[in-house]
Amino acid sequence: KAGVTQTPRYLIKTRGQQVTLSCSPISGHRSVSWYQQTPGQGLQFLFEYFSETQRNKGNFPGRFSGRQFSNSRSEMNVSTLELGDSALYLCASSRLAGGKTGELFFGEGSRLTVL
Amino acid sequence: GIQVEQSPPDLILQEGANSTLRCNFSDSVNNLQWFHQNPWGQLINLFYIPSGTKQNGRLSATTVATERYSLLYISSSQTTDSGVYFCAVTGGSEKLVFGKGTKLTVNP
Repeated sequence: KAGVTQTPRYLIKTRGQQVTLSCSPISGHRSVSWYQQTPGQGLQFLFEYFSETQRNKGNFPGRFSGRQFSNSRSEMNVSTLELGDSALYLCASSRLAGGKTGELFFGEGSRLTVL
Repeated sequence: GIQVEQSPPDLILQEGANSTLRCNFSDSVNNLQWFHQNPWGQLINLFYIPSGTKQNGRLSATTVATERYSLLYISSSQTTDSGVYFCAVTGGSEKLVFGKGTKLTVNP
């Protein structure tokens, strides 16, 4: 079965712009979570959505937002981009929500460069 | 929140050697996974192992939840094993927390 699909894979933006990233989970998975990976901070949790509701949120400013649609696909948006937002953004899907989800499966990521 | 420490941070091996990677965590966990990050950035699942022992080919993992650590064993390493290995846990906050990873280099 198809894995987690993230689009776009690469993108370049300038400071002040906004960006929207998309994640399609594995069929049947209802939980989608997002992570930011940078060389300095490592992998950090952004937020988790389950059945169109945000269940959990990491320590990121309000410029980072997300949503989930009825088909479980999720988008995350970053507004007013800063240079420090340059990162690999990873999406993961799982069958259930929260800490007892069992296994998480990751997409290939969206690599964002902010100039 | 829960803290995750991985050791060693870097490991260089010759092909054919064995290795052990360690993951310590500061609180009880509901979920623990080991991942291998490939050169393109994707996190590949190795093990979902909140407790007990599992084996998959040349790789095996053991988690001792009561002592708050997990070990990943790689036997007869190959150059394709190179990359960064991450341990990630979920505790009471239900947020997945990653360690900083172990960068493994296997030389031919």
